[in-house]
Amino acid sequence: QLQLQESGPGLVKPSETLSLTCAVSGDSIKSSRQYWGWIRQPPGKGLEWIGAIYTSGTTYYNPSLESRITISVDTSKNHLSLRLSSVTAADTAVFYCVRYTSMVPRWSDFYYIDVWGKGTTVTVSS
Amino acid sequence: QSALTQPASVSGSPGQSITISCTGSSSDIGGDNYVSWYQQHPGEAPKLLIFDVTKRPSEVSTRFSGSRAANTASLTISGLQTEDEADYYCSAYTSSHTLVFGGGTKLTVL
Repeated sequence: QLQLQESGPGLVKPSETLSLTCAVSGDSIKSSRQYWGWIRQPPGKGLEWIGAIYTSGTTYYNPSLESRITISVDTSKNHLSLRLSSVTAADTAVFYCVRYTSMVPRWSDFYYIDVWGKGTTVTVSS
Repeated sequence: QSALTQPASVSGSPGQSITISCTGSSSDIGGDNYVSWYQQHPGEAPKLLIFDVTKRPSEVSTRFSGSRAANTASLTISGLQTEDEADYYCSAYTSSHTLVFGGGTKLTVL
């Protein structure tokens, strides 16, 4: 059964870089030919799409965050990572690691999310 | 990109039907058929309810249905049950190859 486990510091100082890792178990990122990525949810607010990365490393980012984010995969460790630079209090959120699906067999795209991690809370505060 | 527009809250009594709307543009909701709905209970990750505007994953109850008219998608829940009380989010894959979510709707089952 596919499981996603986010990890990283729960507290980040303003202007610093937030770094999160997502360990994937139950599937191989390298052979999956799927999209993987990140979604965030500020406290008491809605979901915000951060971005998606394909097995090959091709990335798609939220235009409003693009200048500050980097999503990468490490196929040797079977994990993906998120870096968000120059954080402010507005970046405080629960960050979810996700697997995307097209719901079409043998077609890869990031139309929908079918697997979510449990989420990790990151607070930006001095 | 702008978030899709959903009502902040809706409510209904057990057994009734409710509909949640989600309004966007021709670049997202009104574009391709990649419109979806998610259900999120407090403290949990969201769950996919509807994809391709109207389709349900096999494990989702037939009480949940989706539709679309122009740039507005709708989620209808029939035969409301207490366990349906949750937050609901619409989402669309855009013509710019991004994903956008609605602001979320809190469903209260009275």
